[in-house]
Amino acid sequence: QVQLVESGGGVVQPGGSLRLSCSASGFNFRTYAMHWVRQAPGYGLQWVAITSYDEFDKYYGQSVKGRFTISRDNSKNTLFLQMNSLRTEDTAVYYCARDRGTSRGLYFDYWGQGARVIVSS
Amino acid sequence: QSVLTQPPSVSGAPGQRVTISCSGSSSNIGAGYDVHWYQQLLGTAPKLLIYGNTNRPSGVPDRFSGSKSDTSASLAITGLQPEDEADYYCQSYDSSLSGSVFGGGTKLTVL
Repeated sequence: QVQLVESGGGVVQPGGSLRLSCSASGFNFRTYAMHWVRQAPGYGLQWVAITSYDEFDKYYGQSVKGRFTISRDNSKNTLFLQMNSLRTEDTAVYYCARDRGTSRGLYFDYWGQGARVIVSS
Repeated sequence: QSVLTQPPSVSGAPGQRVTISCSGSSSNIGAGYDVHWYQQLLGTAPKLLIYGNTNRPSGVPDRFSGSKSDTSASLAITGLQPEDEADYYCQSYDSSLSGSVFGGGTKLTVL
């Protein structure tokens, strides 16, 4: 069965950095695009970033562009999110999610359990 | 402010039918992009409920159904059950933002 397990969350000061990991199993990871989606406490879902299966294409949400970097290691079935210059508004649960692209957009068919990131002094 | 607009809350008694709306614009739903729905039970990760406007993944009861028209979409839940109490989110793709967009979420209360 498909499993996505995030790790690397924690407490960091404003301006600091953190790297999240998402370990995938139960499917051919190297053939799927992958995403990060976040949810601030008490708020809704916000798409963060996507990487194509081969890292050739990467896109970011406006609020994280230039500060966050999505990457992957297909040899280790792992997705990463490097978060730099963190702000208090980046406090959220970060989910990795598998992409199902179609000719009319895309959706997320499997989600991890989430990694909590708290940005606070 | 979410790109897709949902009502903050809806409620219904067990056995009743409720609908949740999702309103977009010409750069997302109105541009022909599909709408998808997710259910998030308290304290858990979102789960895919409806994809491609009307399709249910394996294991999702047929009490859940989706529809789409012009720049909006709807999720209908019939025969409400206590375990349906959750937050529901619509999602689509936005060409002007070059990324996925979500609704603000709707909290369903089963009375």
